[in-house]
Amino acid sequence: AQTVTQSQPEMSVQEAETVTLSCTYDTSESDYYLFWYKQPPSRQMILVIRQEAYKQQNATENRFSVNFQKAAKSFSLKISDSQLGDAAMYFCASLNYGGSQGNLIFGKGTKLSVKP
Amino acid sequence: DTEVTQTPKHLVMGMTNKKSLKCEQHMGHRAMYWYKQKAKKPPELMFVYSYEKLSINESVPSRFSPECPNSSLLNLHLHALQPEDSALYLCASSQDLRGRTEAFFGQGTRLTVV
Repeated sequence: AQTVTQSQPEMSVQEAETVTLSCTYDTSESDYYLFWYKQPPSRQMILVIRQEAYKQQNATENRFSVNFQKAAKSFSLKISDSQLGDAAMYFCASLNYGGSQGNLIFGKGTKLSVKP
Repeated sequence: DTEVTQTPKHLVMGMTNKKSLKCEQHMGHRAMYWYKQKAKKPPELMFVYSYEKLSINESVPSRFSPECPNSSLLNLHLHALQPEDSALYLCASSQDLRGRTEAFFGQGTRLTVV
């Protein structure tokens, strides 16, 4: 079975500081993708960053970067220079290209607060 | 255009009503999804359409009936819902089920069943 675990229900960071959100996953597939989605109070799920499992290089997207440890099945998100607009619920998700095609599995989420 | 549009944004319906949720995308995506999200919980997959055919039905009760009239539209027909069906319903689309792209989500429909 495919599972995604986020062990931090809530996190807080000071504006302009750096914060890391944790995520671990479990899959028996060799071909899969990992994502971080952001869901602000507006409700829309917005893709923050994606990582292909076959790529060893960690993905980066402006102030957002990941630490992908394939052997440990860990996929953490680092937000640098945090901004007030980063406050949201963050979901880690995995997508297999195996038996359950198209099933995007989400973790329970981490609520991030940004203090001015 | 990387937008998935859902209508209505809010819906209140009685348990005997029949209503429909609509989702539209013009990105040429051939996979479309319905998710249900309860408060403070992650989205849960309900249905997946691939090339206008139902690909995955995650054991959803028959009071929810999906429909994919064409490659750009996805509907969710609602009938005889229960109060516990109140939730945020999210639509998403992706290139296809084998395409190596992410899913794009709409803003959701906040459904309240009274």
